[in-house]
Amino acid sequence: QSALTQPRSVSGSPGQSVTISCTGTSNYVGDYNYVSWYQQHPGKAPKLMIYDVTKRPSGVPDRFSGSKSGNTASLTISGLQGEDEADYYCLSYASSYILVFGGGTKLTVL
Amino acid sequence: EVQLVESGGGLVQPGGSLRLSCVASGFTFSDYWMHWVRQAPGGGLVWVSRVSSDGSTTFYADSVRGRFTISRDNAKNTVYLQMSSLRAEDTAVYYCARKLAGASVEYFHHWGPGSLVTVSS
Repeated sequence: QSALTQPRSVSGSPGQSVTISCTGTSNYVGDYNYVSWYQQHPGKAPKLMIYDVTKRPSGVPDRFSGSKSGNTASLTISGLQGEDEADYYCLSYASSYILVFGGGTKLTVL
Repeated sequence: EVQLVESGGGLVQPGGSLRLSCVASGFTFSDYWMHWVRQAPGGGLVWVSRVSSDGSTTFYADSVRGRFTISRDNAKNTVYLQMSSLRAEDTAVYYCARKLAGASVEYFHHWGPGSLVTVSS
């Protein structure tokens, strides 16, 4: 059981927007702006999509955006495309220098 | 180009030991903390351990503390994960990872392809 809770699955049709939430305690999400999001396709290594809650690394489309409110961080994907179908994980930096991933969310593009 | 390549995985019996290696290239290895992250078959990502740039400071997830040891050899651009007292629940693909350059904290921007460890009799 992860300290960060994500929905097991979400879905959307091409062109729509979906939001994936990541809820933790104040220790893991609320007190720090150190949340990141990762995309993982089957059999592949994860890919960093969002860091510092809202920032995108070079090369990540601006369809991907991040936000945070209280103890919940969110990843929003707008203009869904088939290639977005993947597993998504949040990661937070805890106060004791320990890192924790969320349980992961499977995104299905209908 | 940053490259990370893990090796050393394989089949090991419960209670046994195994050492994973991750060779890095394309960047100044001694400037970065390095991490191990694992993923059980069909499961999620789990952060395992991290080692400071000079190797003097290490941290572990509760599930492996006391059984796993992370270390590095900056002359060989290599980070290691020595795993002992292995359990079936340690079965996973093990990734080494490096942070995003310039980031304030450890965001995993670079990953190896992973090395599969199977603990079974």
